Amino acid sequence: GAGVSQSPSNKVTEKGKDVELRCDPISGHTALYWYRQRLGQGLEFLIYFQGNSAPDKSGLPSDRFSAERTGESVSTLTIQRTQQEDSAVYLCASSRPLAGVGTQYFGPGTRLLVL
Amino acid sequence: AQSVTQLDSQVPVFEEAPVELRCNYSSSVSVYLFWYVQYPNQGLQLLLKYLSGSTLVESINGFEAEFNKSQTSFHLRKPSVHISDTAEYFCAVSVRNQGGKLIFGQGTELSVKP
Repeated sequence: GAGVSQSPSNKVTEKGKDVELRCDPISGHTALYWYRQRLGQGLEFLIYFQGNSAPDKSGLPSDRFSAERTGESVSTLTIQRTQQEDSAVYLCASSRPLAGVGTQYFGPGTRLLVL
Repeated sequence: AQSVTQLDSQVPVFEEAPVELRCNYSSSVSVYLFWYVQYPNQGLQLLLKYLSGSTLVESINGFEAEFNKSQTSFHLRKPSVHISDTAEYFCAVSVRNQGGKLIFGQGTELSVKP
């Protein structure tokens, strides 16, 4: 079966523009996570969706960042008024129910460059 | 809050030599522990995990890690590495009953030379 897919794979934008990143999780995976990896750093948790529960937004770095998920499928991460420090690889992961113990399957990431 | 420290950013080693990648964590509550691996030009994938039970866990490709609660460590070891083990390795924790979000270390780049 298909793995987690993300689009676009690369995005170059100008400072101040809005960007939207998309994640398609593995079918049947109710948990979905967004992380980002800035150059030379580890992955940082951004946001977590589990079924119909309220998302855990505790990792979002500012109110310029938001994310939505349609049911148990596609998720979009939106960054408004992008800044140069937003340049990073944005990774999406999904997992089966029992998210606390389940393996997370990662997508290939979207590489965002803000000029 | 939880944190993960990987003490070595880069580990060069010769083929067939043993290797240990160090990971220490800080948490006031119980956690699950993970090692993820990212091979060149590939996505991040799970290598092994500790949830409960035996403190020694193994992967299918010969890596093992031991959970040491007193030292809050989860070091990754392999007795004899191969060129194909060249990759970046990330240690991570998640807090029990908090949805599974992972807190990652900075990563260790393992470079295996012939």
